[in-house]
Amino acid sequence: AQSVTQLDSQVPVFEEAPVELRCNYSSSVSVYLFWYVQYPNQGLQLLLKYLSGSTLVKGINGFEAEFNKSQTSFHLRKPSVHISDTAEYFCAVRPLSGNTPLVFGKGTRLSVIA
Amino acid sequence: SAVISQKPSRDICQRGTSLTIQCQVDSQVTMMFWYRQQPGQSLTLIATANQGSEATYESGFVIDKFPISRPNLTFSTLTVSNMSPEDSSIYLCSVPEGAYGYTFGSGTRLTVV
Repeated sequence: AQSVTQLDSQVPVFEEAPVELRCNYSSSVSVYLFWYVQYPNQGLQLLLKYLSGSTLVKGINGFEAEFNKSQTSFHLRKPSVHISDTAEYFCAVRPLSGNTPLVFGKGTRLSVIA
Repeated sequence: SAVISQKPSRDICQRGTSLTIQCQVDSQVTMMFWYRQQPGQSLTLIATANQGSEATYESGFVIDKFPISRPNLTFSTLTVSNMSPEDSSIYLCSVPEGAYGYTFGSGTRLTVV
């Protein structure tokens, strides 16, 4: 079984400042990793995913994440945030084999302050 | 990428009643997943719905409370039965997309009063 821990439930940050949202996972098998964003009153949107290859993954809206296998982490970063980045961010994993459902972390609420 | 139409987008229901949520996908998919997102919480898998077989429910979820239909490869419904205020949540459907991705419906925001 897999589990995902998002270490921060809320992250306030000033506009144009950098941000890092932390995600650690636990799994007995290799996994794919995902970050989703949920804007207020909207559905989930894929930000980025790690499948294989380069451990630094670039996504939409200027976000990137780095996969660290030894630390079982997949932290999300953005060098300069905007007010429009205010949203809930979810880290998720699934095993490599089969069309199994995603296992989500509890989410991190990013609040960008003007 | 697949597009999911989920209805209704929101509803306010009386306790003791039932609500059926629909998800229509614009392509054929074998599996469909139903999730619940309680207020301020993450997404919890309710069940996996395969066409032509009974849905597989996760621990803590039962068919009598959350019956699921999957009549064909593009459509599924989830019913929330005999609702109580504790069922107030966002309900989402999801389908695998390609080899590794997933597409989500826009969600149904349910309030039980």
